[in-house]
Amino acid sequence: GNSVTQMEGPVTLSEEAFLTINCTYTATGYPSLFWYVQYPGEGLQLLLKATKADDKGSNKGFEATYRKETTSFHLEKGSVQVSDSAVYFCALSDRGDQGGKLIFGQGTELSVKP
Amino acid sequence: DSGVTQTPKHLITATGQRVTLRCSPRSGDLSVYWYQQSLDQGLQFLIQYYNGEERAKGNILERFSAQQFPDLHSELNLSSLELGDSALYFCASSVGSLGTEAFFGQGTRLTVV
Repeated sequence: GNSVTQMEGPVTLSEEAFLTINCTYTATGYPSLFWYVQYPGEGLQLLLKATKADDKGSNKGFEATYRKETTSFHLEKGSVQVSDSAVYFCALSDRGDQGGKLIFGQGTELSVKP
Repeated sequence: DSGVTQTPKHLITATGQRVTLRCSPRSGDLSVYWYQQSLDQGLQFLIQYYNGEERAKGNILERFSAQQFPDLHSELNLSSLELGDSALYFCASSVGSLGTEAFFGQGTRLTVV
């Protein structure tokens, strides 16, 4: 079945450091890919998305490129801030008979120190 | 604010009891999804409704049921509660039924004691 694998956390960085959170997926068909962020005590917020191969999603300085050849969707940010501290989830949505449900990775906790 | 409203925010109840969680989707969204978030299982899809009809089902227990009403709000009913049902329950909504982005509510934290 479809699945998403993320790098394990927690990830601890200093402010202004470069961030990469790895995400790989297994899917039949052509899923859409998403990154969601969850701040403490809150729900999930959509951070960015990509719907087809080679698409680059971007938002708030975060970027991720849909790589079909490596089945990856790694999240990057050039310079993190303390306010980026949160849990990040990679997800895919199968557009087949299984409806539009999201399959999530296990989440990666990011902690940014001043 | 995602536009998805969930009530209540917190719920504490005893084992064996039944609770109902409520979700109002974003205006214009026809799909509602329910997810369970726990420390050991992560985020798990439970069930999806689209325009009042069940669209997809995940690993939802038989003790759990859901429905979507004509005004598109949805309810998740959890019965014969066990300690292991303690979790965050999220509702999400989307415009379509296939692969479009979903917007999440703040969740209902259920504690079974």
